[in-house]
Amino acid sequence: SQQGEEDPQALSIQEGENATMNCSYKTSINNLQWYRQNSGRGLVHLILIRSNEREKHSGRLRVTLDTSKKSSSLLITASRAADTASYFCATEASGTYKYIFGTGTRLKVLA
Amino acid sequence: DAGVIQSPRHEVTEMGQEVTLRCKPISGHNSLFWYRQTMMRGLELLIYFNNNVPIDDSGMPEDRFSAKMPNASFSTLKIQPSEPRDSAVYFCASSVEEKLFFGSGTQLSVL
Repeated sequence: SQQGEEDPQALSIQEGENATMNCSYKTSINNLQWYRQNSGRGLVHLILIRSNEREKHSGRLRVTLDTSKKSSSLLITASRAADTASYFCATEASGTYKYIFGTGTRLKVLA
Repeated sequence: DAGVIQSPRHEVTEMGQEVTLRCKPISGHNSLFWYRQTMMRGLELLIYFNNNVPIDDSGMPEDRFSAKMPNASFSTLKIQPSEPRDSAVYFCASSVEEKLFFGSGTQLSVL
């Protein structure tokens, strides 16, 4: 299965701290994306990084990609209670338009 | 823009009954995806369409599942006959420029 795996499965931090979650995948990719899912809702796109990029920023989000290790990380700086959600990575395998999601990290930010 | 619209929001049915889930993608998006989400298996890609044509249905679990996209603004996912193990949240997503936009999902419970 191409499905990515994320770790940790769950993460609990205090408001103001940084949160880091990791994603590993198995095949060559065109791009990797991160999504957020609040409880009972659909997923929301956060950021996309292409296979020829190594780092990307968007507001309090920082994403890195290491294609040699087939891994990515998402850093949320200065976390807020509103960041409490599940975070998923999604990969698009080279030569396809299929988006395969990882297992997700459940983040809880305590106020 | 109303986003991706799915109906019904919740569906409770008895084993053996036919279930039809509906999706209206965002206007102008040329790709549409059906995903299923469960605690055990995470987010699974069932099928995706490009310009209303099914491209890959390898994720459809059994012949009991079928999907159609008769035009650019409507898609259905049908399960006939339904079984308790089909209970899950079913998401539809449409995409443009490689980003997926998800609907709110249909919570399906098969008793």
